[in-house]
Amino acid sequence: GAGVSQSPSNKVTEKGKDVELRCDPISGHTALYWYRQSLGQGLEFLIYFQGNSAPDKSGLPSDRFSAERTGGSVSTLTIQRTQQEDSAVYLCASSLAIAGATLNTGELFFGEGSRLTVL
Amino acid sequence: AQSVTQPDIHITVSEGASLELRCNYSYGATPYLFWYVQSPGQGLQLLLKYFSGDTLVQGIKGFEAEFKRSQSSFNLRKPSVHWSDAAEYFCAVGAWAGNNRKLIWGLGTSLAVNP
Repeated sequence: GAGVSQSPSNKVTEKGKDVELRCDPISGHTALYWYRQSLGQGLEFLIYFQGNSAPDKSGLPSDRFSAERTGGSVSTLTIQRTQQEDSAVYLCASSLAIAGATLNTGELFFGEGSRLTVL
Repeated sequence: AQSVTQPDIHITVSEGASLELRCNYSYGATPYLFWYVQSPGQGLQLLLKYFSGDTLVQGIKGFEAEFKRSQSSFNLRKPSVHWSDAAEYFCAVGAWAGNNRKLIWGLGTSLAVNP
């Protein structure tokens, strides 16, 4: 597609419910990132995908958070048993990573985010 | 540890005035530095980036930034602000490993523009 697409744009859920957030990256972008933007916390890195594998999951806050990517394209971020502190905007970004290109600019293109509110 | 500090949480300027947004970073190697802008209801957009070479970099929308290694700074400037520049501005440093282009972000500076 023309840009990174995220859905839903807004999600309100009750504490304890599971949620799924979807990201459709720019066509051909092999790298995909999830970030979380919380009020007063700035942007936190969650996870990085290269193709369908996730070499860096270091930012996932707990085992309630998981993500997968299929077909080297769409990614889903799943939060199980949501808590109020999970309320945030979840941002997805993609980039064109070129293997072995150390000076690859790797500019990140961001979606508009999914705003999650846990009541 | 890598970190980015944006000392100003909120700045208000008058339209037509000059602007400087501060950014300081902590990074062990030569940093890759970025400024992004987030307008209300929109995704983050790259304004400019520094990788190497000329320490004064030009970006979109009339913005520029200067990398000063001695001060560990990468301040964003614009000579004359327009009302449409009101937005949240984020400075970031690239914590790169292989193809992982992970960014470490500052907390952002909110810019308001008075008519």
